[in-house]
Parts: sequence; structure tokens; C-alpha cells
Amino acid sequence: AQSVTQLGSHVSVSEGALVLLRCNYSSSVPPYLFWYVQYPNQGLQLLLKYTSAATLVKGINGFEAEFKKSETSFHLTKPSAHMSDAAEYFCAVSDPSTGNQFYFGTGTSLTVIP
Amino acid sequence: DAGVIQSPRHEVTEMGQEVTLRCKPISGHNSLFWYRQTMMRGLELLIYFNNNVPIDDSGMPEDRFSAKMPNASFSTLKIQPSEPRDSAVYFCASRGTSSGVETQYFGPGTRLLVL
Repeated sequence: AQSVTQLGSHVSVSEGALVLLRCNYSSSVPPYLFWYVQYPNQGLQLLLKYTSAATLVKGINGFEAEFKKSETSFHLTKPSAHMSDAAEYFCAVSDPSTGNQFYFGTGTSLTVIP
Repeated sequence: DAGVIQSPRHEVTEMGQEVTLRCKPISGHNSLFWYRQTMMRGLELLIYFNNNVPIDDSGMPEDRFSAKMPNASFSTLKIQPSEPRDSAVYFCASRGTSSGVETQYFGPGTRLLVL
């Protein structure tokens, strides 16, 4: 069975500092991996996805994530945090061998300190 | 494309009343999901449909909850009777292929408050 672990339910960074949100997955086959962002009082918005085309994936708003098979990780990063990045971030995995069912992590709340 | 459309966006009702939440998926998507989000339990999958057929409803809390998808462009989630513990944000998502990968797209959610 698939599972997704997001380390750190709350992360705080200073404005302009590096953002690093961690995601590890368990899968017996190469999965598809996603990051979603949820701004206050809004739905989940797709930030980026890994499709096996390239291990470094660039998304919207300057975010990127790197797929590392050896570490079973798909951490989300942004070089310089902006106040508008404050939101909840969800990592998700989809396993093609099980009908592409999605499994979501528990989310990480990002606070940006001015 | 208008994205996934949900209505109403906000619903306030009294305990015991029937509540119906509506969802219109993205045209061409053949899978639809209903989720519930609360502070205590996070994001929970309630039920999902493939080609209008319910595939997995193991996440539906109890018999008070029911979901239907009469056609490819419409789904409802009904709670009857509603209880205060049903207060949550309910999201609908549809899934389609993008860049060769099946991807879920979420609606804006319905914020439900049961008094």
C-alpha cells in the first residue's frame, strides 16, 4: 500500500529565506508525485507534479521539487520565501499499479515571518 | 475551462436538516472524488466514482451520508439528518489526464456549519 509522510506539520521561515518542505513516500513501483497548495479558505491547487520526465520539477510561484528514488523523497523547495507563500502544502502520491488512486500526506503549514 | 464547480460555497443549517452539496467536474474527466477537511482529521476521502459508478465508499462516515453521480457532469453529496460534527469543508475533485499523468483538480469547497 502507498503512504506519504510529510515531516513537520508546521514550518516557519523568514521572508527571503529558503523554504524546504519534506515529503517521503513508500511505493514498490515508481509512482507519480504531486504537491498541492491550499491558501486560506480556498481549495487545493496543483503546484507541480513528477511524471518521470525529469527528476527536478519546476512549478508555479518559483517552487520546485526533486525526485530522489534512492531516498524515496520528493521535497519541495523555494529559494526565497515571500509573504504570499504562507499556506498549507500537501504532498500526494499516485500509484499507476493501483488505478492511480491518490494518497495525500497530512499537510505542512508554512508561516512566513516578515 | 471553468474548473471544478461546487455549490453552495457556504451552508449554515440546523441539526436534523438535510444538506445537499453539488459538484460539476471538469468536462472530459471520468473520475470524481468527494473529500472532507477538518482541523482534527485533516483531508479525508469519502467516496470516489469512475465513469459515474461508485468505486470506493469506505470513507463515508455512516448511513447518514450518501453520494450520487447521475451523469458525467454532476454529482451530489447528501447528509440526512445533519449533525454538528458534520461541520467541515467538503471538497469535490475530478481527475483527468494532463501531460500523460492522471491528475486531480479540486473545487473551491463548500464550507458547512451545522448548528
